[in-house]
Amino acid sequence: KQEVTQIPAALSVPEGENLVLNCSFTDSAIYNLQWFRQDPGKGLTSLLLIQSSQREQTSGRLNASLDKSSGRSTLYIAASQPGDSATYLCAALIYNQGGKLIFGQGTELSVKP
Amino acid sequence: EPEVTQTPSHQVTQMGQEVILRCVPISNHLYFYWYRQILGQKVEFLVSFYNNEISEKSEIFDDQFSVERPDGSNFTLKIRSTKLEDSAMYFCASSRQDGENTGELFFGEGSRLTVL
Repeated sequence: KQEVTQIPAALSVPEGENLVLNCSFTDSAIYNLQWFRQDPGKGLTSLLLIQSSQREQTSGRLNASLDKSSGRSTLYIAASQPGDSATYLCAALIYNQGGKLIFGQGTELSVKP
Repeated sequence: EPEVTQTPSHQVTQMGQEVILRCVPISNHLYFYWYRQILGQKVEFLVSFYNNEISEKSEIFDDQFSVERPDGSNFTLKIRSTKLEDSAMYFCASSRQDGENTGELFFGEGSRLTVL
């Protein structure tokens, strides 16, 4: 059974710092891995999608990497801003299972001005 | 930019009542999903739907739940007899399974269900 874990559960940094959020999954047979942002009481905004054949994806100040063999993905946020404060979720799409995403519990990020 | 829309944003109901949550997926998407998030817990998969039938469902999705695509645009989740433990945020999502970003799911803002 696929399990997705994110560490740390919460992170507080001063504005301008570069930071790394970690995601691990127990079964390497994934179709892709997706990173989301969730603001309090809101929906899930897709940030980056990494296909199983890819190693990384970049969008602006965000860079996500994927290492299937070790069951890990990282989300790197450069030059953090207070507007980046949110919960960040990673989710693994399981092969041949009708689009079933398995989510981690999230990392709650707070960027202090 | 196309988006998934959900209604209502918040519904309060009495235990035992029926609830229907509505979603309008992105228009050229072919795959539709419902997920839920109980307060403070992980987002959980409920069901996926393709070609007018369920393609997979979780153990949570028991006989009190049903999904339907009544027309070309709406996708609904019905909970027949709500229980206190059904209180959660329910997310609709859609995806297309071809092209560059295969398997990327796009989520709506959610419908918060409170069962009293």
